[in-house]
Parts: sequence; structure tokens; C-alpha cells
Amino acid sequence: AQTVTQSQPEMSVQEAETVTLSCTYDTSESDYYLFWYKQPPSRQMILVIRQEAYKQQNATENRFSVNFQKAAKSFSLKISDSQLGDAAMYFCAYSLYYGGSQGNLIFGKGTKLSVKP
Amino acid sequence: DAGVTQSPTHLIKTRGQQVTLRCSPKSGHDTVSWYQQALGQGPQFIFQYYEEEERQRGNFPDRFSGHQFPNYSSELNVNALLLGDSALYLCASSPYTGAYEQYFGPGTRLTVT
Repeated sequence: AQTVTQSQPEMSVQEAETVTLSCTYDTSESDYYLFWYKQPPSRQMILVIRQEAYKQQNATENRFSVNFQKAAKSFSLKISDSQLGDAAMYFCAYSLYYGGSQGNLIFGKGTKLSVKP
Repeated sequence: DAGVTQSPTHLIKTRGQQVTLRCSPKSGHDTVSWYQQALGQGPQFIFQYYEEEERQRGNFPDRFSGHQFPNYSSELNVNALLLGDSALYLCASSPYTGAYEQYFGPGTRLTVT
């Protein structure tokens, strides 16, 4: 069975600094997707960034980038120039992609990120 | 575009009762997935509906059932509520084909007393 592990329950970063959130996963599949979702205190989960396993290039979205190490089954999120609005729970998630459609999301337990002014 | 909407926002029920939660998907999406998020945990997949049928199911008992309507909206039903069913229930929608992101609703907070 696929599993996702986030080993940092809480992280803290100074405003304008850079922080990296860790995620490891376990799977025997070769074709899958990895995601980082953000859940602010208002609860609505929003997608931060997505990585297709078949792509070697690391995904980037503005201040957010990932370090995808397929052999090591590692998928970390780097947030540059941290802003107060980045404070939230961050969830790493995994999904298979088969038969032309996306499978269910498997989430880690999350990392609570605090941003200090 | 209203995005994914869920109702009600909060709900308090007593053990043994039954509850129905509702979800309307984002415009253009035909697939609805339900997740349970216990306090301090990541969401856990309950089931996914497409074409009014349950397509995938997570490790949840038969007390959890669902339905999808022709307009793609969905309901989650939980029978014989237990204290452990207290959680945030999230609905997510997406197109069925293609590797698109799942858009989440704000959730329904269920408290079982």
C-alpha cells in the first residue's frame, strides 16, 4: 500500500526567509503524481504545486519549488521569500494515474508552518 | 465560478443517529470524492463518484454511503454515528479523465456527542 510521511509536525520561518518542508512516500508504482496542498485556518484546501513522476524537471510555481528525488522517494517543498500569508498546514499527497483518470489522494499528516514577522 | 460548495458548515449529532452531507462540484467537473479529516490529521479518502456510481472506495465501513445525482452533485450518508466519526468532511471535485487537480470545498464539521 502507498504511504506518505511528513516527519516535521511543525516548522517556523522568519518572514522573507526560505524554508523547506520534507515528504517521503512509499510506492511500487512508476507512474504517479505528487502534490503539496495548503490548508489555511479557514480550512479550504488549495493546491500549491504538482509534480508528475515521469518528469525529471522539478516543478516550480512562483516562490514555491520542489525537490523531487524519485529513487529516494522524496518530495520536499521549498518556499522562498516567505510571507505571513504562507502560514498554514501543508500536506504532501500522492496519487496514482491509471486508465486515463486520477486515483484517490493519499495524504501525509501535515506540517504546520508558522511565519514570524 | 462558485467553486466547490458544501452544506451544512457545521453539524452536531448524537451517537446512533444518521447524517447526510451535501456537495456541489465546481462547474465543469463530473467527479466527486469525499475525504474525512480527523483533528490534527491528513484527510483520508472515503470514496469517489462518477456517472452516479461509486468508482473507488477507501477503507471505510458500510455505514458510510454516498450518492451522485445527474447534475453531478453528491451526498455522503453516515449511519449509526459513532463518537469517532467526529471530523471535518471534505468534498473534492475534478474532471474524470486526465490528471487534473482536485478542487476542495470548505468542508463540513461534524461533531458526534
